[in-house]
Amino acid sequence: NAGVMQNPRHLVRRRGQEARLRCSPMKGHSHVYWYRQLPEEGLKFMVYLQKENIIDESGMPKERFSAEFPKEGPSILRIQQVVRGDSAAYFCASSPETANTEAFFGQGTRLTVV
Amino acid sequence: DAKTTQPTSMDCAEGRAANLPCNHSTISGNEYVYWYRQIHSQGPQYIIHGLKNNETNEMASLIITEDRKSSTLILPHATLRDTAVYYCIVYGGTSYGKLTFGQGTILTVHP
Repeated sequence: NAGVMQNPRHLVRRRGQEARLRCSPMKGHSHVYWYRQLPEEGLKFMVYLQKENIIDESGMPKERFSAEFPKEGPSILRIQQVVRGDSAAYFCASSPETANTEAFFGQGTRLTVV
Repeated sequence: DAKTTQPTSMDCAEGRAANLPCNHSTISGNEYVYWYRQIHSQGPQYIIHGLKNNETNEMASLIITEDRKSSTLILPHATLRDTAVYYCIVYGGTSYGKLTFGQGTILTVHP
């Protein structure tokens, strides 16, 4: 059973470009979570999605950031008009449900904005 | 904000047991204690979780006090590869879907 797959592993974008980060959850998992880890800081929750629904986006910046988890295909975290402060590691996790279960994390996408 | 308190760092000799404490004095009845670790810059790795009973799996043991206000993660025979940041997280209740990571404990295992 493959784990949570994130791609690309490393992404370099110039200021003002768009970044699209992909996350394929583990087989059978319908819950996806995105976290961000700024350099030398802890992991911060961004958004929680189920298939076609955003359940909790309380950690998402109000502008430029969006997330989706379509019925078919991976979950996408999109960052428009990237700025240097967006440089971070973005981790995706998935779980089969939310209650009394563990979330499995991917290896992350390291975004560098130049 | 994280609802747990952990020591900033700990050391352990290879082959010995590593005991990582965590205080969670405000935990409510329907919240679980979860432990994750992050090795270098990899994705966090689930270790173990429990509600009120002690738990054991192939990686570790989790001891939760009777009043549930604190817990200890035990790595029975630490190896150099166990060097990582260990996070104790209170999860559940109204916060399903949102793991709140604090600063964790940096565990360094020495040869």
